[in-house]
Amino acid sequence: DTEVTQTPKHLVMGMTNKKSLKCEQHMGHRAMYWYKQKAKKPPELMFVYSYEKLSINESVPSRFSPECPNSSLLNLHLHALQPEDSALYLCASSQDRLAGGINFGPGTRLLVL
Amino acid sequence: SQQGEEDPQALSIQEGENATMNCSYKTSINNLQWYRQNSGRGLVHLILIRSNEREKHSGRLRVTLDTSKKSSSLLITASRAADTASYFCATSYNTDKLIFGTGTRLQVFP
Repeated sequence: DTEVTQTPKHLVMGMTNKKSLKCEQHMGHRAMYWYKQKAKKPPELMFVYSYEKLSINESVPSRFSPECPNSSLLNLHLHALQPEDSALYLCASSQDRLAGGINFGPGTRLLVL
Repeated sequence: SQQGEEDPQALSIQEGENATMNCSYKTSINNLQWYRQNSGRGLVHLILIRSNEREKHSGRLRVTLDTSKKSSSLLITASRAADTASYFCATSYNTDKLIFGTGTRLQVFP
């Protein structure tokens, strides 16, 4: 299995809702990432997990809460989001030190009303 | 901002022509990577060039790297309509942090 899968593909939520984005990979990769991408902009790094531990948090607001239950799974818990948080959220994984590039999932397109 | 810049922002060509995209970056790097993104979906890794390499080929792709100028170029030869996508360069240096450039939107007309 050489894919990163993400669910759901689309999500619409209100500003008072709590929702979670899920990501899974079975390539044995030890690093997993969350990126946020606005329309016609490059992806922006949010979080990096290395060996199931949070290694990078790019000063992301606390309304985004990452979780790595095991080496194959990565969640992003969403609470009290703002309309400006609407974006494509991309999960990715990689082997050691980005030596071989990053495998991206197809993304979750989030709309906050 | 550490973000790199790509040039041009948009490029339109006919099938069969070559497409060249340039990337400039600001910091030291271990490697530079190129990704393709179709219609705002997930990115696909195309090619990686290490800081001690100057040129790399993969199929119809040719990447060059000039670390003295902090720049790279991606050449797609004999382009096809299926090459229509956004192309991003990305750099990393001693961390898991991969920083993307601003991207080039390529349109290939049949």
